[in-house]
Amino acid sequence: DVKVTQSSRYLVKRTGEKVFLECVQDMDHENMFWYRQDPGLGLRLIYFSYDVKMKEKGDIPEGYSVSREKKERFSLILESASTNQTSMYLCASSPGAQLNQPQHFGDGTRLSIL
Amino acid sequence: GQQLNQSPQSMFIQEGEDVSMNCTSSSIFNTWLWYKQDPGEGPVLLIALYKAGELTSNGRLTAQFGITRKDSFLNISASIPSDVGIYFCAGSSYYGGSQGNLIFGKGTKLSVKP
Repeated sequence: DVKVTQSSRYLVKRTGEKVFLECVQDMDHENMFWYRQDPGLGLRLIYFSYDVKMKEKGDIPEGYSVSREKKERFSLILESASTNQTSMYLCASSPGAQLNQPQHFGDGTRLSIL
Repeated sequence: GQQLNQSPQSMFIQEGEDVSMNCTSSSIFNTWLWYKQDPGEGPVLLIALYKAGELTSNGRLTAQFGITRKDSFLNISASIPSDVGIYFCAGSSYYGGSQGNLIFGKGTKLSVKP
């Protein structure tokens, strides 16, 4: 079974802090994704990566950056956290060159910015 | 941008009832996926569909790829309490999106009738 592991289930940070969310997958998948999930808004894509050191903006990249130095690890960075970034963050991965393959999700990180 | 309309937004189930939900897209899709998310966890893939007209079952769940390629349906037969959760559709089209990335519906929340 594919396992996507997010480093924290719950995280509380302060406004202005730099926040790192880590995600690791163990199935040698090429593609990795970061989403945020908010009530009534569903899943919104922040950034994705289709290869090591490659990254593409999703639908809501503002205020975020990402890093993919190794194939198995994809990090989401909040450069200067703000209260409107309080949300559930989901990491996902998928195999192959095509981005329409089923994605496998981690259990999420519930981030609160005070 | 592209949109997926998922309905209903929420519904209540009584044990033993059949449940139906659907998604429609503004453009033709080549992939339809259905996920379920339990509270506090990430979405888990239930069914993947790749051909127009395709009908696929997974236990009591049956999903169909609409013949117009613009919709998909999920049916749950003889519901049980553990069916509660949020069900998401996701799809990918030949045109638009981020190089064929998945687009997610906003989810259908299944709850138990009080």
